[in-house]
Amino acid sequence: EAQVTQNPRYLITVTGKKLTVTCSQNMNHEYMSWYRQDPGLGLRQIYYSMNVEVTDKGDVPEGYKVSRKEKRNFPLILESPSPNQTSLYFCASCDWGQPQHFGDGTRLSIL
Amino acid sequence: SQQGEEDPQALSIQEGENATMNCSYKTSINNLQWYRQNSGRGLVHLILIRSNEREKHSGRLRVTLDTSKKSSSLLITASRAADTASYFCATGSNSGNTPLVFGKGTRLSVIA
Repeated sequence: EAQVTQNPRYLITVTGKKLTVTCSQNMNHEYMSWYRQDPGLGLRQIYYSMNVEVTDKGDVPEGYKVSRKEKRNFPLILESPSPNQTSLYFCASCDWGQPQHFGDGTRLSIL
Repeated sequence: SQQGEEDPQALSIQEGENATMNCSYKTSINNLQWYRQNSGRGLVHLILIRSNEREKHSGRLRVTLDTSKKSSSLLITASRAADTASYFCATGSNSGNTPLVFGKGTRLSVIA
């Protein structure tokens, strides 16, 4: 089954403790992206990647890192999480110019 | 750099009625896409309409695109309680490999 898988689905952690949210897709898509969704702000793009070893900043990249060492994986790294990064995060992938496939989301709470 | 702006922000209708949501954008686009999101879940793609198309249908969904007005509409006919969700438009740019830009969404409530 074609899917985008994010882990974990839920995480409560504390300020400053490094964390990684994994994202994996099994559709051989070149394009992958991370978004955060906050009430009243809609979806805002954090980082995206057009292919292996190619990543670019989105609208809200501060405080986040990503890597794209393999086509299928696109982890989101919070080196020193802060409470303002509490949010609902989505990973998505697609072939260029085609509809995006979204994961089920990761709800992060940073205390 | 949010481009798509949905209108209204929230819409409440009775089951069986039609629901219309609008999306306006600012720059030239290659395509416009509509997505649906059930509460707290990932977005699901509904329809993609390219800039050279004016109307597209999929089941009870009808999407129109007016590039001269830089606007699109999503019509859901004969709505059902299960259509309750948030609906987002997203625009794909003409200028090279730039990513989709999502609007803030319209929250639709269909009351049984």
